[in-house]
Amino acid sequence: DAKTTQPNSMESNEEEPVHLPCNHSTISGTDYIHWYRQLPSQGPEYVIHGLTSNVNNRMASLAIAEDRKSSTLILHRATLRDAAVYYCILRDVTSGYSTLTFGKGTMLLVSP
Amino acid sequence: GAVVSQHPSRVICKSGTSVKIECRSLDFQATTMFWYRQFPKQSLMLMATSNEGSKATYEQGVEKDKFLINHASLTLSTLTVTSAHPEDSSFYICSARDATAGEQYFGPGTRLTVT
Repeated sequence: DAKTTQPNSMESNEEEPVHLPCNHSTISGTDYIHWYRQLPSQGPEYVIHGLTSNVNNRMASLAIAEDRKSSTLILHRATLRDAAVYYCILRDVTSGYSTLTFGKGTMLLVSP
Repeated sequence: GAVVSQHPSRVICKSGTSVKIECRSLDFQATTMFWYRQFPKQSLMLMATSNEGSKATYEQGVEKDKFLINHASLTLSTLTVTSAHPEDSSFYICSARDATAGEQYFGPGTRLTVT
């Protein structure tokens, strides 16, 4: 599986935008970029995913570099409830969807 | 959205006993379910993958005779930790793949403490 690299932790203030980076230089053409987050003592929660174009949903935006070797998850206004570990995961959706494999992720700390 | 439930949410058991954890997909059918384990301050590690009606596939280093997985229906998978020891204490998370859409959804996790 192609690997991703994320910072161990990031800090933000409440109501400020947060940009969470992810490097995936060995991404293949059939890999989708998925983001999940895990709040303390809970299972992972789907955030967003994309292939080539930038994506927006009610939770976040995903900005994908033109060469697809990196991406950025954008939380437009961080709240205290956004404090979690964010995982960037590559997933090959050909041949029946690959299993989600988790790296260490980025722990996001949000201060009031 | 798709919901995956786990029961119990937390359990404490004595060393040497067995514990069963249930995982259900509530509003979709899951031909494939996954079991992950997470130790404190670590990431999720995949333990095994189970397909409905067939034997589970275990990741390297996971003892299949200790962690019994049953996936008897399209909405239910169970993980039984047999002869539990304190080192089995962990956060166990199940996940289910929607048979039609292909997305993978996660349960809320089960905190197992073996005393």
